[in-house]
Amino acid sequence: GENVEQHPSTLSVQEGDSAVIKCTYSDSASNYFPWYKQELGKGPQLIIDIRSNVGEKKDQRIAVTLNKTAKHFSLHITETQPEDSAVYFCANSGGSNYKLTFGKGTLLTVNP
Amino acid sequence: DGGITQSPKYLFRKEGQNVTLSCEQNLNHDAMYWYRQDPGQGLRLIYYSQIVNDFQKGDIAEGYSVSREKKESFPLTVTSAQKNPTAFYLCASSTRGTGWINTEAFFGQGTRLTVV
Repeated sequence: GENVEQHPSTLSVQEGDSAVIKCTYSDSASNYFPWYKQELGKGPQLIIDIRSNVGEKKDQRIAVTLNKTAKHFSLHITETQPEDSAVYFCANSGGSNYKLTFGKGTLLTVNP
Repeated sequence: DGGITQSPKYLFRKEGQNVTLSCEQNLNHDAMYWYRQDPGQGLRLIYYSQIVNDFQKGDIAEGYSVSREKKESFPLTVTSAQKNPTAFYLCASSTRGTGWINTEAFFGQGTRLTVV
């Protein structure tokens, strides 16, 4: 955990384009990196996660990459659709601080 | 259906009153958490509990209290000492993986508390 920076805070793309959201963290002992999607008025839902022993994970149109040396991880959404519009949060945990710490979120808008 | 339930969805209280938010889960999860969400602030941890009858303060515990008398339930009380209680409150639960929360956390649908 500890200090997760997330960028950008807002992202607008055209339908069919790709979207990339990046997070950096400070605790080198972090070992778990989930991404959550939150729709308006609802609780966050896990969309993909990655552990520190792998560098990339893919699930259909979404993928997450992890660079442990640089301490950053990214969410990639390809072929975006209007229903992808939501707030996305990165998080991490493990190591000296085992609490799940969240970034401040990215509001993604996919324009039809 | 298995899941985590928060109630009520909307809650209004007068300033100076204590209020308790409910969180129940039937996922047989050991760990439960309370987060507060404010615009532009992400999710901030208030309290968490890894096991029945035990809980720990998170990053913003002042003005809040919790109890964990049953595995399924983790109610949060917002006391009159909380200076800015109006917010969206989220409860979550997870299994206890190695090193604590390196397993998926399931969230409830949240309670929007407004203090007037």
